[in-house]
Amino acid sequence: DAKTTQPPSMDCAEGRAANLPCNHSTISGNEYVYWYRQIHSQGPQYIIHGLKNNETNEMASLIITEDRKSSTLILPHATLRDTAVYYCIATNKLVFGAGTILRVKS
Amino acid sequence: ETGVTQTPRHLVMGMTNKKSLKCEQHLGHNAMYWYKQSAKKPLELMFVYNFKEQTENNSVPSRFSPECPNSSHLFLHLHTLQPEDSALYLCASSQDPAGGSTDTQYFGPGTRLTVL
Repeated sequence: DAKTTQPPSMDCAEGRAANLPCNHSTISGNEYVYWYRQIHSQGPQYIIHGLKNNETNEMASLIITEDRKSSTLILPHATLRDTAVYYCIATNKLVFGAGTILRVKS
Repeated sequence: ETGVTQTPRHLVMGMTNKKSLKCEQHLGHNAMYWYKQSAKKPLELMFVYNFKEQTENNSVPSRFSPECPNSSHLFLHLHTLQPEDSALYLCASSQDPAGGSTDTQYFGPGTRLTVL
């Protein structure tokens, strides 16, 4: 299973795009990149996943580099409700690390 | 009701009590999971069930006893717990029982357990 590295915390101004990076340099060819988030004391919420191509849904966009060694989750217009811990997982089996605490500030 | 539900949402129990946590998924999934999240720690996978059969037990102490009577329901029976077992217990479900590359898990809200 690929190990991921994320910054421990980030701040973002409300209404601006939040770009959350993730390094997964040991990812193998069949391992997907998943993003989940966890708002304080709630269950994790699935956001998006991808293999090679960039992906977009109603919540976010996922940009995966061509070599697949890193990715960026983009929340296009962050709101206060997006304040949460964001987990990047690059494996066929969900193993949660410490994630990135995103604080959206007004 | 939709998604994954868990009851109770909060539970306080003594070390000699026996209690059970319940999880129900309304998504038609085939796999269900129990996770533990202690304060300021990452989620830890405890048990995995595929089609009612336990397929994974991550060295969980026997004072935690899971039960999966069908693909929609999952229980975690608790007995003689320790204060260090106090945590948020999360249930999840997924479609693909093999946990393959595209197996997205959907989580319940969790049960906040306090052991006195």
